[in-house]
Amino acid sequence: AQTVTQSQPEMSVQEAETVTLSCTYDTSESDYYLFWYKQPPSRQMILVIRQEAYKQQNATENRFSVNFQKAAKSFSLKISDSQLGDAAMYFCAYCWAAGNKLTFGGGTRVLVKP
Amino acid sequence: GAGVSQSPSNKVTEKGKDVELRCDPISGHTALYWYRQRLGQGLEFLIYFQGNSAPDKSGLPSDRFSAERTGESVSTLTIQRTQQEDSAVYLCASSLKDRGYGYTFGSGTRLTVV
Repeated sequence: AQTVTQSQPEMSVQEAETVTLSCTYDTSESDYYLFWYKQPPSRQMILVIRQEAYKQQNATENRFSVNFQKAAKSFSLKISDSQLGDAAMYFCAYCWAAGNKLTFGGGTRVLVKP
Repeated sequence: GAGVSQSPSNKVTEKGKDVELRCDPISGHTALYWYRQRLGQGLEFLIYFQGNSAPDKSGLPSDRFSAERTGESVSTLTIQRTQQEDSAVYLCASSLKDRGYGYTFGSGTRLTVV
């Protein structure tokens, strides 16, 4: 069974600084998708970034980028130039390319200090 | 609609009562998912509907949980004889395709069993 692990329950970052969130996963599949979701207090899960396993290039969305290490089964998220609005829970998730269920990690709370 | 709509937003119920949670997906989205999020944890898959196919119920935790969806419209998640451990946020998501990318989540229903 696939598992997703986020080892950092909480991370704190100064406004305008950079923070990196860790995620590791376990799978026997070779084709899959990895995601980072943001969950603000409104509870709605918002897709931050998506990585396709067969693509070697790391995905980037504005201030958000990932470091995807397929052999190590590692998928970290870097938030650059942190803003107060980035404060939220962040969840790493996995989905087999031919499947439909997302498997989530336990989440990392990001605090942004002004 | 413009987004995935869930109702009620919050529900407090007495132990042993039945509850119904509603999800209205984005128009045209054929796939619909229910997830449960316990306090401070990641999301757990409950059930998946794809068009008129038989649903994937593999995540339902007990026979007290059931869900229905007619075609590509509204879905209801029913919990019978609620227990305190059922207290959680129940999130619904829909997607255009039956794959794990392209999810749009609702804001969830927070269920509290007292």
